[in-house]
Amino acid sequence: DAKTTQPPSMDCAEGRAANLPCNHSTISGNEYVYWYRQIHSQGPQYIIHGLKNNETNEMASLIITEDRKSSTLILPHATLRDTAVYYCIVRVPLNTDKLIFGTGTRLQVFP
Amino acid sequence: DAGITQSPRHKVTETGTPVTLRCHQTENHRYMYWYRQDPGHGLRLIHYSYGVKDTDKGEVSDGYSVSRSKTEDFLLTLESATSSQTSVYFCAIKDQGAVNSPLHFGNGTRLTVT
Repeated sequence: DAKTTQPPSMDCAEGRAANLPCNHSTISGNEYVYWYRQIHSQGPQYIIHGLKNNETNEMASLIITEDRKSSTLILPHATLRDTAVYYCIVRVPLNTDKLIFGTGTRLQVFP
Repeated sequence: DAGITQSPRHKVTETGTPVTLRCHQTENHRYMYWYRQDPGHGLRLIHYSYGVKDTDKGEVSDGYSVSRSKTEDFLLTLESATSSQTSVYFCAIKDQGAVNSPLHFGNGTRLTVT
């Protein structure tokens, strides 16, 4: 499975867009990009996933570059409740039960 | 939130005692999983189930057993708790309908073995 690289921490002002990058330069053709977040003392929360097209849901947007070597999770209007550790994971769909959570990006949203 | 309830949310137990953690789901998903999360190790898969009475071992299954007699319930038993099993335990479910379906997690059980 492709390895991912994320910045260890980021800050974002409340109400502004939070753009969280992820590099996955060794991604293979059938691997999806999944994003989860974990708020302190809670279980990991699924956010969004995609293969090659950009995706949007009620929580976020996922932008995947054309070469698929990197992606960006966008929280369009960050709130204080979005403060969490965000994980980018690349997996073959059949192996999504064996997710490997790396160190992620700690996003701090400030007032 | 995915309809996943873990119980108890917190438990303190003594070394050598058996402990059972419960995961209950209301989504009627066939796939269920137990993970543990520890600092420096991330999430590690303990056991999983692809249906009633269909279970298998994950990467850290020693000292744990599971049972799935109903679709909605997945039980994790620590046969004789040890201090190394102090951890946060997460249950997860997955819809079998689409091959790329994501996992959805419960809010965890914090277990302390003294």
